[in-house]
Amino acid sequence: AQSVAQPEDQVNVAEGNPLTVKCTYSVSGNPYLFWYVQYPNRGLQFLLKYITGDNLVKGSYGFEAEFNKSQTSFHLKKPSALVSDSALYFCAVRGGFGTGGFKTIFGAGTRLFVKA
Amino acid sequence: DAGVTQSPTHLIKTRGQQVTLRCSPISGHKSVSWYQQVLGQGPQFIFQYYEKEERGRGNFPDRFSARQFPNYSSELNVNALLLGDSALYLCASSWIPKGATNEKLFFGSGTQLSVL
Repeated sequence: AQSVAQPEDQVNVAEGNPLTVKCTYSVSGNPYLFWYVQYPNRGLQFLLKYITGDNLVKGSYGFEAEFNKSQTSFHLKKPSALVSDSALYFCAVRGGFGTGGFKTIFGAGTRLFVKA
Repeated sequence: DAGVTQSPTHLIKTRGQQVTLRCSPISGHKSVSWYQQVLGQGPQFIFQYYEKEERGRGNFPDRFSARQFPNYSSELNVNALLLGDSALYLCASSWIPKGATNEKLFFGSGTQLSVL
């Protein structure tokens, strides 16, 4: 069965500094990996996804993520954080391997706090 | 174009009651997924429907059921409510090209269910 781990409950960073939100995964076969962001009292919004190809994936709002197969990681990054980036971030893996289903499994989330 | 819409936005029920939550996907999307998000946790997969057929089921009791209608809207039903069912219920739709499993999810804002 597939699973996702986000080892940090919260990440604190100063505005203008680079940020990294960590994610590791476990899945059979080729992984389909995603990052979503959730603002207060809102549903989740898609940021980016990795399917195949280039290990560095670029997404919305200046975010990017680096896929590392040997470390089974998919860390979210941004070169320069903004206060408006403060939100809850979820890593997710799409599975269904062997079952025919298409379920997407989410990590527990990491709260990003960007201080001005 | 309208996004994913869910109704109602808030709901208060008592233990033992039954509840029905509704979701309308983005026009053209034939897949609907349901998630339960307890405060402070990541979304937990409940069901996925594609073209009116159940394609995935999470680890939830039989009190939880769902269906998808010919217009691709969906309902989630929960019977014999427990206090632990209190959560944000999220609906997500996606467009799935034939044979694809890597499409992103578009989420509604959710239904906040409180069980007293």
